[in-house]
Amino acid sequence: AQSVAQPEDQVNVAEGNPLTVKCTYSVSGNPYLFWYVQYPNRGLQFLLKYITGDNLVKGSYGFEAEFNKSQTSFHLKKPSALVSDSALYFCAVRDIGGTGKLIFGQGTTLQVKP
Amino acid sequence: EAQVTQNPRYLITVTGKKLTVTCSQNMNHEYMSWYRQDPGLGLRQIYYSMNVEVTDKGDVPEGYKVSRKEKRNFPLILESPSPNQTSLYFCASSLYSFDNEQFFGPGTRLTVL
Repeated sequence: AQSVAQPEDQVNVAEGNPLTVKCTYSVSGNPYLFWYVQYPNRGLQFLLKYITGDNLVKGSYGFEAEFNKSQTSFHLKKPSALVSDSALYFCAVRDIGGTGKLIFGQGTTLQVKP
Repeated sequence: EAQVTQNPRYLITVTGKKLTVTCSQNMNHEYMSWYRQDPGLGLRQIYYSMNVEVTDKGDVPEGYKVSRKEKRNFPLILESPSPNQTSLYFCASSLYSFDNEQFFGPGTRLTVL
């Protein structure tokens, strides 16, 4: 069965420092991977997705994610964190069976301190 | 403005009292879903719809019903709510599949006493 794990409940970084939010996956076949962000009291917003091609995917708000097949990881990165990046981040993988619905991780809270 | 709207945003109710949470999108999207968000569990899909009159169960459908009579609307019905349905609920829509960017509503926080 497809699954995705976010090993950190919370990540703390200082403003201006690079940030990484980790995600590992388990799928049979080629994975379709996604990152969504949830700001306080808001619905989720799409950041980026990997389906095929370049292992480095660029997305919204300066975020990017690196697909690593050998490590089965899809970590979210940003070179310089902003306080406004503080939010809850979800990694998701496409379920290859049936409808292809997304299976979401449990979420990682990113806290960027001034 | 392209958006998904949900109503109500907050609801406190009592066990057994039927309720409906409405969801509407103005983007002519085919796919719509309902999710519940619980701490430590991420988002879990309750029901989804791939088009008008086409609905199916997600991962946690027990205690919920849905309908899709019009393309833009996808209401979530709790016929007899129970305290374990206390959660944050999100409606989402996407154009042709779940691979496409999903647009989420603002959420409905439901408390069942």
